[in-house]
Amino acid sequence: EDKVVQSPLSLVVHEGDTVTLNCSYEVTNFRSLLWYKQEKKAPTFLFMLTSSGIEKKSGRLSSILDKKELFSILNITATQTGDSAVYLCAVEYGQNFVFGPGTRLSVLP
Amino acid sequence: SAVISQKPSRDICQRGTSLTIQCQVDSQVTMMFWYRQQPGQSLTLIATANQGSEATYESGFVIDKFPISRPNLTFSTLTVSNMSPEDSSIYLCSVVVLVGYGYTFGSGTRLTVV
Repeated sequence: EDKVVQSPLSLVVHEGDTVTLNCSYEVTNFRSLLWYKQEKKAPTFLFMLTSSGIEKKSGRLSSILDKKELFSILNITATQTGDSAVYLCAVEYGQNFVFGPGTRLSVLP
Repeated sequence: SAVISQKPSRDICQRGTSLTIQCQVDSQVTMMFWYRQQPGQSLTLIATANQGSEATYESGFVIDKFPISRPNLTFSTLTVSNMSPEDSSIYLCSVVVLVGYGYTFGSGTRLTVV
């Protein structure tokens, strides 16, 4: 069965820490992997990854995909309290699109 | 990216009643997607709505329970019918406007059924 797994499911850090969130997948006909940040209701788009080994970066956030090992990581450096959210990984495969369970990140002041 | 206006943003409904959620997109899109997020869970796709044809439902979701309309390329509605407390969730519509920029989501509807 196709699936997306995220780890850890929950993480508590202090401001200034660096965190790494993991997403692994098992799907057929992989097309892309996407990262979203969900603070209240609606997820907001962070990154879309289609090629292995090419890092995407936006400010303190960066992400990379390994299509051989079937995983992606999302790094957040110098975390701030505003980074507190659920981070969702989603995989697009064939005509389908499935979300992982999310990692709930809490950044304490 | 697209701007999606979704309403209502929240509602508290009596069991046995129905609620219709609307999504208006500021640009024409071929496909619109409806998701449900139950408390503490991730997003689950309910159905894909194409303009001019019937929606395609995912396993576990049926048209009688979640009828969808898609009258044009910028608008869609999802109705949650004969509601029970188990339908209490966040409901989200989404679209893909630009390839390579992922899905854009509406602001969500938080539904509580009492």
